[in-house]
Amino acid sequence: DAGITQSPRYKITETGRQVTLMCHQTWSHSYMFWYRQDLGHGLRLIYYSAAADITDKGEVPDGYVVSRSKTENFPLTLESATRSQTSVYFCASSRGDTQYFGPGTRLTVL
Amino acid sequence: KQEVTQIPAALSVPEGENLVLNCSFTDSAIYNLQWFRQDPGKGLTSLLLIQSSQREQTSGRLNASLDKSSGRSTLYIAASQPGDSATYLCAVWEYGNKLVFGAGTILRVKS
Repeated sequence: DAGITQSPRYKITETGRQVTLMCHQTWSHSYMFWYRQDLGHGLRLIYYSAAADITDKGEVPDGYVVSRSKTENFPLTLESATRSQTSVYFCASSRGDTQYFGPGTRLTVL
Repeated sequence: KQEVTQIPAALSVPEGENLVLNCSFTDSAIYNLQWFRQDPGKGLTSLLLIQSSQREQTSGRLNASLDKSSGRSTLYIAASQPGDSATYLCAVWEYGNKLVFGAGTILRVKS
């Protein structure tokens, strides 16, 4: 089915481990985004990408790395997970005036 | 730095009431403003998008208004139903298609 998918949906990891969250969209949208959602903060932008091989920092990029070698994929990597990175992570893509959101990944760092 | 505030943080109303959710933003240089709905444990669903040149948008029982000069938007829900219970998020569009979100209003409609 067409759309935007995220994997895994749930992940538990330990402090210091590397974790990669996957995002895939089937529309060939140029823009893709990673947000985190924490209680009381709404969604905050981590990184975004205007096209393949073009990425830029958002509001809260520290501790995260992204890449975009293909238009349809936009993985987010936590190089050394910390407890403060426990959150729900949403991927989104956009073309024109609409952003489409994935179902989210709930990440717990112990 | 753009900041988006939503008031109230939570709202509980009986079924059938008309209600208003408020959103304010600090920088009026926005491209668009968008209202989303989020059900528990789910992603975001777009409800209404108001372009910067528009004053309001309507979809069914929902009406959203935008006043850029005062930095405010309202979402009006008519004849509320229990199925409207969700978190409502306001977001402003900045250059580069980036969204800045408010913290949301948690709405509960009691039957």
